[in-house]
Amino acid sequence: AQSVTQPDIHITVSEGASLELRCNYSYGATPYLFWYVQSPGQGLQLLLKYFSGDTLVQGIKGFEAEFKRSQSSFNLRKPSVHWSDAAEYFCAVGGLMDSSYKLIFGSGTRLLVRP
Amino acid sequence: DGGITQSPKYLFRKEGQNVTLSCEQNLNHDAMYWYRQDPGQGLRLIYYSQIVNDFQKGDIAEGYSVSREKKESFPLTVTSAQKNPTAFYLCASSISATGFQFFGPGTRLTVL
Repeated sequence: AQSVTQPDIHITVSEGASLELRCNYSYGATPYLFWYVQSPGQGLQLLLKYFSGDTLVQGIKGFEAEFKRSQSSFNLRKPSVHWSDAAEYFCAVGGLMDSSYKLIFGSGTRLLVRP
Repeated sequence: DGGITQSPKYLFRKEGQNVTLSCEQNLNHDAMYWYRQDPGQGLRLIYYSQIVNDFQKGDIAEGYSVSREKKESFPLTVTSAQKNPTAFYLCASSISATGFQFFGPGTRLTVL
Protein backbone atom coordinates (compact mmCIF):
# COMPACT_ATOMS: atom_id res chain seq x y z
CA ALA A 1 0.00 0.00 0.00
CA GLN A 2 1.13 3.54 -0.67
CA SER A 3 2.29 5.52 2.34
CA VAL A 4 4.34 8.48 3.47
CA THR A 5 6.36 8.47 6.68
CA GLN A 6 7.70 11.50 8.46
CA PRO A 7 9.55 9.93 11.37
CA ASP A 8 10.06 13.12 13.40
CA ILE A 9 6.93 14.51 15.07
CA HIS A 10 8.80 17.52 16.48
CA ILE A 11 12.16 19.06 15.67
CA THR A 12 13.75 21.97 17.51
CA VAL A 13 16.63 23.93 16.00
CA SER A 14 18.35 27.16 16.89
CA GLU A 15 17.92 30.15 14.64
CA GLY A 16 20.71 30.16 12.07
CA ALA A 17 21.29 26.42 12.31
CA SER A 18 20.78 24.05 9.43
CA LEU A 19 17.66 21.93 9.09
CA GLU A 20 16.79 18.58 7.60
CA LEU A 21 13.28 17.11 7.74
CA ARG A 22 12.94 13.48 6.76
CA CYS A 23 10.38 11.93 4.45
CA ASN A 24 10.18 8.35 3.26
CA TYR A 25 7.54 6.97 0.96
CA SER A 26 6.21 3.69 -0.32
CA TYR A 27 4.95 3.71 -3.89
CA GLY A 28 5.32 1.25 -6.76
CA ALA A 29 6.62 3.68 -9.36
CA THR A 30 8.35 7.06 -9.37
CA PRO A 31 5.88 9.36 -7.68
CA TYR A 32 5.35 13.07 -7.77
CA LEU A 33 6.73 14.48 -4.51
CA PHE A 34 5.79 17.60 -2.60
CA TRP A 35 6.62 19.53 0.54
CA TYR A 36 3.99 21.83 2.03
CA VAL A 37 4.19 24.16 5.03
CA GLN A 38 1.32 25.06 7.36
CA SER A 39 1.22 27.86 9.91
CA PRO A 40 -1.20 27.38 12.84
CA GLY A 41 -4.83 27.61 11.79
CA GLN A 42 -3.93 28.19 8.16
CA GLY A 43 -4.04 26.30 4.90
CA LEU A 44 -1.05 24.60 3.29
CA GLN A 45 1.47 26.41 1.13
CA LEU A 46 3.56 24.57 -1.45
CA LEU A 47 7.30 24.82 -0.76
CA LEU A 48 8.57 22.71 -3.64
CA LYS A 49 7.75 19.79 -5.89
CA TYR A 50 9.51 17.04 -7.80
CA PHE A 51 8.01 15.61 -10.97
CA SER A 52 11.07 14.46 -12.93
CA GLY A 53 14.58 15.49 -13.93
CA ASP A 54 17.14 16.93 -11.54
CA THR A 55 16.76 15.17 -8.21
CA LEU A 56 17.74 18.28 -6.24
CA VAL A 57 14.88 20.75 -6.33
CA GLN A 58 14.83 24.30 -5.11
CA GLY A 59 11.79 25.83 -3.50
CA ILE A 60 10.59 29.03 -1.94
CA LYS A 61 11.97 30.58 1.25
CA GLY A 62 15.43 29.04 0.71
CA PHE A 63 14.29 25.41 1.03
CA GLU A 64 15.55 22.55 -1.10
CA ALA A 65 14.83 18.82 -1.24
CA GLU A 66 16.60 15.85 -2.72
CA PHE A 67 14.88 12.84 -4.23
CA LYS A 68 16.80 9.63 -3.57
CA ARG A 69 15.17 6.77 -5.43
CA SER A 70 17.34 4.09 -3.81
CA GLN A 71 16.25 5.21 -0.34
CA SER A 72 12.65 6.15 -1.26
CA SER A 73 13.30 9.48 0.40
CA PHE A 74 12.62 13.14 -0.27
CA ASN A 75 14.22 15.04 2.61
CA LEU A 76 13.75 18.78 3.01
CA ARG A 77 16.73 20.97 3.88
CA LYS A 78 17.52 24.57 4.67
CA PRO A 79 21.04 25.82 5.41
CA SER A 80 20.05 28.51 7.91
CA VAL A 81 16.71 28.54 9.71
CA HIS A 82 14.86 31.77 10.49
CA TRP A 83 12.41 32.21 13.35
CA SER A 84 9.63 32.64 10.79
CA ASP A 85 10.20 29.06 9.59
CA ALA A 86 8.51 27.72 12.73
CA ALA A 87 5.49 25.82 11.36
CA GLU A 88 4.33 22.34 10.50
CA TYR A 89 5.76 20.67 7.42
CA PHE A 90 4.05 17.99 5.37
CA CYS A 91 5.54 15.69 2.81
CA ALA A 92 3.16 14.33 0.16
CA VAL A 93 3.30 11.73 -2.57
CA GLY A 94 1.18 11.96 -5.71
CA GLY A 95 0.42 9.19 -8.12
CA LEU A 96 -2.13 6.78 -9.50
CA MET A 97 -3.93 5.03 -6.65
CA ASP A 98 -7.14 3.05 -7.08
CA SER A 99 -7.29 4.19 -10.73
CA SER A 100 -7.26 7.88 -9.81
CA TYR A 101 -4.50 10.39 -9.23
CA LYS A 102 -4.30 11.21 -5.51
CA LEU A 103 -2.05 12.82 -2.93
CA ILE A 104 -1.09 11.00 0.24
CA PHE A 105 0.24 13.11 3.08
CA GLY A 106 2.61 12.27 5.88
CA SER A 107 1.56 13.04 9.44
CA GLY A 108 3.71 16.16 9.56
CA THR A 109 6.77 17.46 11.43
CA ARG A 110 6.39 20.45 13.71
CA LEU A 111 9.44 22.72 13.60
CA LEU A 112 10.26 24.83 16.62
CA VAL A 113 12.96 27.50 16.34
CA ARG A 114 14.99 28.59 19.37
CA PRO A 115 16.07 32.25 19.40
CA ASP B 1 -6.24 38.08 -6.67
CA GLY B 2 -6.75 34.45 -7.59
CA GLY B 3 -7.23 31.95 -4.85
CA ILE B 4 -9.49 29.72 -2.83
CA THR B 5 -12.02 31.04 -0.35
CA GLN B 6 -13.41 28.91 2.46
CA SER B 7 -16.15 30.21 4.67
CA PRO B 8 -16.68 30.52 7.48
CA LYS B 9 -13.31 30.25 9.21
CA TYR B 10 -14.93 28.91 12.40
CA LEU B 11 -18.21 27.02 12.57
CA PHE B 12 -20.09 25.68 15.54
CA ARG B 13 -22.99 23.26 15.31
CA LYS B 14 -25.04 21.14 17.63
CA GLU B 15 -24.75 17.39 17.42
CA GLY B 16 -27.23 15.89 14.95
CA GLN B 17 -27.35 18.91 12.64
CA ASN B 18 -26.13 18.90 9.08
CA VAL B 19 -23.71 21.67 8.15
CA THR B 20 -22.37 22.86 4.79
CA LEU B 21 -18.86 24.21 4.32
CA SER B 22 -18.25 26.53 1.42
CA CYS B 23 -15.31 26.36 -1.01
CA GLU B 24 -14.96 28.74 -3.94
CA GLN B 25 -12.01 29.15 -6.33
CA ASN B 26 -11.35 31.71 -9.05
CA LEU B 27 -8.27 29.98 -10.44
CA ASN B 28 -10.18 28.30 -13.27
CA HIS B 29 -9.01 24.93 -11.94
CA ASP B 30 -10.77 21.79 -13.10
CA ALA B 31 -10.08 19.62 -10.04
CA MET B 32 -11.19 20.30 -6.46
CA TYR B 33 -10.68 18.37 -3.24
CA TRP B 34 -11.83 18.21 0.38
CA TYR B 35 -9.50 17.04 3.14
CA ARG B 36 -9.95 16.55 6.84
CA GLN B 37 -7.12 17.30 9.27
CA ASP B 38 -7.00 16.07 12.86
CA PRO B 39 -4.28 16.94 15.40
CA GLY B 40 -1.12 14.91 14.91
CA GLN B 41 -2.34 13.48 11.64
CA GLY B 42 -1.82 14.31 8.04
CA LEU B 43 -4.58 15.24 5.66
CA ARG B 44 -7.12 12.62 4.73
CA LEU B 45 -9.09 12.84 1.48
CA ILE B 46 -12.87 13.06 1.84
CA TYR B 47 -14.10 13.71 -1.71
CA TYR B 48 -12.64 14.96 -4.95
CA SER B 49 -13.95 16.21 -8.26
CA GLN B 50 -11.99 16.27 -11.48
CA ILE B 51 -14.69 17.96 -13.54
CA VAL B 52 -18.03 19.70 -13.12
CA ASN B 53 -20.97 17.41 -12.30
CA ASP B 54 -18.67 14.55 -11.35
CA PHE B 55 -17.08 13.60 -8.04
CA GLN B 56 -15.58 10.56 -6.34
CA LYS B 57 -15.29 9.33 -2.78
CA GLY B 58 -11.96 9.61 -1.09
CA ASP B 59 -10.66 7.55 1.80
CA ILE B 60 -13.08 8.80 4.49
CA ALA B 61 -16.30 9.74 2.64
CA GLU B 62 -18.75 8.20 5.11
CA GLY B 63 -20.95 10.85 6.70
CA TYR B 64 -20.10 13.50 4.10
CA SER B 65 -21.64 14.62 0.81
CA VAL B 66 -20.60 17.04 -1.92
CA SER B 67 -21.86 18.64 -5.12
CA ARG B 68 -20.06 20.17 -8.10
CA GLU B 69 -22.64 22.12 -10.07
CA LYS B 70 -20.24 24.90 -11.00
CA LYS B 71 -16.54 24.79 -11.85
CA GLU B 72 -15.66 27.31 -9.16
CA SER B 73 -17.65 25.82 -6.28
CA PHE B 74 -17.36 22.55 -4.33
CA PRO B 75 -19.42 22.66 -1.10
CA LEU B 76 -19.06 19.94 1.50
CA THR B 77 -21.95 18.86 3.73
CA VAL B 78 -21.12 17.21 7.02
CA THR B 79 -24.14 15.11 7.88
CA SER B 80 -25.39 13.84 11.21
CA ALA B 81 -24.12 10.40 10.16
CA GLN B 82 -20.51 11.56 10.59
CA LYS B 83 -19.63 10.20 14.01
CA ASN B 84 -16.77 12.54 14.86
CA PRO B 85 -17.12 15.69 12.76
CA THR B 86 -15.05 18.10 14.86
CA ALA B 87 -11.95 18.79 12.76
CA PHE B 88 -10.18 21.26 10.49
CA TYR B 89 -11.42 21.02 6.91
CA LEU B 90 -9.29 22.05 3.97
CA CYS B 91 -10.38 22.60 0.40
CA ALA B 92 -7.88 22.44 -2.46
CA SER B 93 -7.87 22.79 -6.21
CA SER B 94 -5.53 21.95 -9.06
CA ILE B 95 -5.44 22.88 -12.71
CA SER B 96 -5.71 19.22 -13.62
CA ALA B 97 -5.94 15.93 -11.79
CA THR B 98 -2.13 15.58 -11.77
CA GLY B 99 -1.21 19.18 -11.02
CA PHE B 100 -0.02 20.37 -7.64
CA GLN B 101 -2.82 21.28 -5.26
CA PHE B 102 -3.42 24.82 -4.07
CA PHE B 103 -5.07 25.04 -0.64
CA GLY B 104 -7.65 27.31 0.92
CA PRO B 105 -7.32 28.73 4.47
CA GLY B 106 -9.52 26.06 6.04
CA THR B 107 -12.66 25.90 8.17
CA ARG B 108 -12.55 24.70 11.77
CA LEU B 109 -15.77 22.88 12.59
CA THR B 110 -16.70 22.23 16.20
CA VAL B 111 -19.72 20.11 16.99
CA LEU B 112 -21.05 20.63 20.48
